[in-house]
Amino acid sequence: VTLLEQNPRWRLVPRGQAVNLRCILKNSQYPWMSWYQQDLQKQLQWLFTLRSPGDKEVKSLPGADYLATRVTDTELRLQVANMSQGRTLYCTCSGRDWGVNQDTQYFGPGTRLLVL
Amino acid sequence: AQSVTQPDARVTVSEGASLQLRCKYSYSGTPYLFWYVQYPRQGLQLLLKYYSGDPVVQGVNGFEAEFSKSNSSFHLRKASVHWSDSAVYFCALSGNSAGNKLTFGIGTRVLVRP
Repeated sequence: VTLLEQNPRWRLVPRGQAVNLRCILKNSQYPWMSWYQQDLQKQLQWLFTLRSPGDKEVKSLPGADYLATRVTDTELRLQVANMSQGRTLYCTCSGRDWGVNQDTQYFGPGTRLLVL
Repeated sequence: AQSVTQPDARVTVSEGASLQLRCKYSYSGTPYLFWYVQYPRQGLQLLLKYYSGDPVVQGVNGFEAEFSKSNSSFHLRKASVHWSDSAVYFCALSGNSAGNKLTFGIGTRVLVRP
């Protein structure tokens, strides 16, 4: 069974403060790891896919700024900053296999953020 | 551009009844289609997937889905639901077999009444 851990699982974020999220593969190595985010009652939206340790990408969307880093073959990080006050955000990571199951993404349990 | 529409935000059914969840997609090429389920406090889990061949695909826990190119649909169904099927169900598509970017529908929350 593929296992992705995420921490923290939830966080109250003071307005103006950034938060750092971690996603860790526990029992496998997937070349591609991705971040998705979801606002309350909206669609889950793809943010990034990073392939190699050292890869970084940034993105600014309405309501937050994102910085993703592939730290190692088994760890992916996401920094979320400048979130809008009162926003509830769910962030989840995924790992995608290669070979026979290259189409399938496995997801972590997610992190819920509430901006105060 | 690609999109996925799940027209039903919430569905309530009685235990033992049948269930159908609707999914419509928009994509110019051949889509790779997925249904995921999310139970409370857990991550998304793959139920089934479709690429080609038999338009009816079988998944886990008695779920199946039927692909229709003419209707641009990929509806999910189960003949007899159990209370443990209460969850949020997401339809998703990818533009190719090695796609990292899944496009999701908004999800349908299913409540199974005992």
